[in-house]
Amino acid sequence: NAGVTQTPKFQVLKTGQSMTLQCAQDMNHNSMYWYRQDPGMGLRLIYYSASEGTTDKGEVPNGYNVSRLNKREFSLRLESAAPSQTSVYFCASSQGTVGYTFGSGTRLTVV
Amino acid sequence: EDKVVQSPLSLVVHEGDTVTLNCSYEVTNFRSLLWYKQEKKAPTFLFMLTSSGIEKKSGRLSSILDKKELSSILNITATQTGDSAIYLCAVVNQAGTALIFGKGTTLSVSS
Repeated sequence: NAGVTQTPKFQVLKTGQSMTLQCAQDMNHNSMYWYRQDPGMGLRLIYYSASEGTTDKGEVPNGYNVSRLNKREFSLRLESAAPSQTSVYFCASSQGTVGYTFGSGTRLTVV
Repeated sequence: EDKVVQSPLSLVVHEGDTVTLNCSYEVTNFRSLLWYKQEKKAPTFLFMLTSSGIEKKSGRLSSILDKKELSSILNITATQTGDSAIYLCAVVNQAGTALIFGKGTTLSVSS
């Protein structure tokens, strides 16, 4: 089973460039999440989607947009990347808040 | 605002030592507290605690919740170098829709 698949695994962007991080899950989970992880900061919630067609802001949503394309896919978009968005991004999915499954992460560097 | 505070933030021990990691939380309408271990990549699930005073155990790891003190501890006995990791504590947020993580405790076990 693939679980949660994130692409790309690594990315370097220049300031002001845009990009979309892709996430797909094959577990038929209703809920999907995007977190960012910075050294010493744990995981901080950017956006989540409790069900297909709904999205909500988390703790640190500024500078990001999301799309819950269908039940399987939840993408994160950076419209104009900034160095402060250099981070490791994790997508996760769950059924309710039980059984979180994380993707392997995307390491993003903005120069 | 939902909040999770972990202590210490980092810890260095020798193989064979016993360690105790702490997690305190503030959340309205507490549902559950979870512990994760993160090595190189994505966090992996350790325990979910919902009831006060009931110890969860898995090998050398154990955890217990104290709802009166709004806290939990994670114990690791006879530590090994393979226990070196970031240990993350999380609680379900007030709305019951996502996990809120603490900053993590970085444990280093030297041989």
